[in-house]
Amino acid sequence: DQQVKQNSPSLSVQEGRISILNCDYTNSMFDYFLWYKKYPAEGPTFLISISSIKDKNEDGRFTVFLNKSAKHLSLHIVPSQPGDSAVYFCAGGFSGNTGKLIFGQGTTLQVKP
Amino acid sequence: NAGVTQTPKFQVLKTGQSMTLQCAQDMNHEYMSWYRQDPGMGLRLIHYSVGAGITDQGEVPNGYNVSRSTTEDFPLRLLSAAPSQTSVYFCASITRGLGTEAFFGQGTRLTVV
Repeated sequence: DQQVKQNSPSLSVQEGRISILNCDYTNSMFDYFLWYKKYPAEGPTFLISISSIKDKNEDGRFTVFLNKSAKHLSLHIVPSQPGDSAVYFCAGGFSGNTGKLIFGQGTTLQVKP
Repeated sequence: NAGVTQTPKFQVLKTGQSMTLQCAQDMNHEYMSWYRQDPGMGLRLIHYSVGAGITDQGEVPNGYNVSRSTTEDFPLRLLSAAPSQTSVYFCASITRGLGTEAFFGQGTRLTVV
């Protein structure tokens, strides 16, 4: 059972435009969500997070939106830059004493100059 | 500050061989996890630990063993390697609380022939 799903394997956008990456989840017990960015041959790095009690969190060019009723979150990157080209993973976590994070399949973003 | 260190970076094993992937963190985090990354499957949780002496199974634990004798180290053991275990393995050290964030190592690329 895939608890976190990223149904778009890839996305291509033009530099300067908006990139929207989507993520759906099935487990309503997640207490927060995170987005990670991964370049080839490197480990994933943290990008932005959102608590399940919020509907929006913004950090510079990155904004995450959470729609709990639809069990859907999205990451908006505005404006997109070629250096944003990477694989993006969303993950759900639990605030209990676990540190357990469940990741989606990832979406490969290509930003064209 | 080294963060999370994984060794080795690359490994080729023959079917049936055993080996241990090493992971060490210097951030004094209680939570640590092992993930594997496969094309189209994203990051899947193998095992995780909430502190020294405490481990639990993740989404895909079969074929792997872990132990956590110290806060710093969380080795992953393959007792009898199989071709299905060919993957890239990432260790993560995870902060605790609502601002939970996972710090990943650089990964170990394992090929089982």
